[in-house]
Amino acid sequence: GAGVSQSPSNKVTEKGKDVELRCDPISGHTALYWYRQSLGQGLEFLIYFQGNSAPDKSGLPSDRFSAERTGGSVSTLTIQRTQQEDSAVYLCASSLGGSPSPLHFGNGTRLTVT
Amino acid sequence: DQQVKQNSPSLSVQEGRISILNCDYTNSMFDYFLWYKKYPAEGPTFLISISSIKDKNEDGRFTVFLNKSAKHLSLHIVPSQPGDSAVYFCATGAGSYQLTFGKGTKLSVIP
Repeated sequence: GAGVSQSPSNKVTEKGKDVELRCDPISGHTALYWYRQSLGQGLEFLIYFQGNSAPDKSGLPSDRFSAERTGGSVSTLTIQRTQQEDSAVYLCASSLGGSPSPLHFGNGTRLTVT
Repeated sequence: DQQVKQNSPSLSVQEGRISILNCDYTNSMFDYFLWYKKYPAEGPTFLISISSIKDKNEDGRFTVFLNKSAKHLSLHIVPSQPGDSAVYFCATGAGSYQLTFGKGTKLSVIP
């Protein structure tokens, strides 16, 4: 079946511009996560959505970052006024939620801020 | 302060031999442990997991060992194959919620 789909796969933007990254999770997965991986670093948690509950935004690095999940499915991560330190691979993952279940990741969006 | 540490950034192993990847964690509340494998330009792929009630879980060539008293996790791959060459991440958490990942170990299996 289809896995987690992310678009675009690559995005180059100028410093100060806004960007939107999209994630289409696996059908039936109630939990959705955004992580990012900067060069040479591990995966850094950003935000978590579970069903209709309020999202856990504790990992968002600044108020320039926001995310929404419409209809419990597709999610959009928005970065406003991008900075060079925002350059990273942004990874979306989904899982069945509830009792421990593995996260299934998309291939990520490589964001480069020039 | 890293809660999950993979102290070896890279590892080279001959084909057919055993690969052992290690991971240490600090938070004793963690009760769910996973290994992910990542190829370049792809997202991490789930490999194997273990809960804190077990000390070993095996799936084919892959075995994960958990030593709770030492807060240590390891992944054994035997026999290693060239297709196993990838970056391996360990991840831990309370349940699957907000997993904390290590920085990864790059495994190279030499034919």
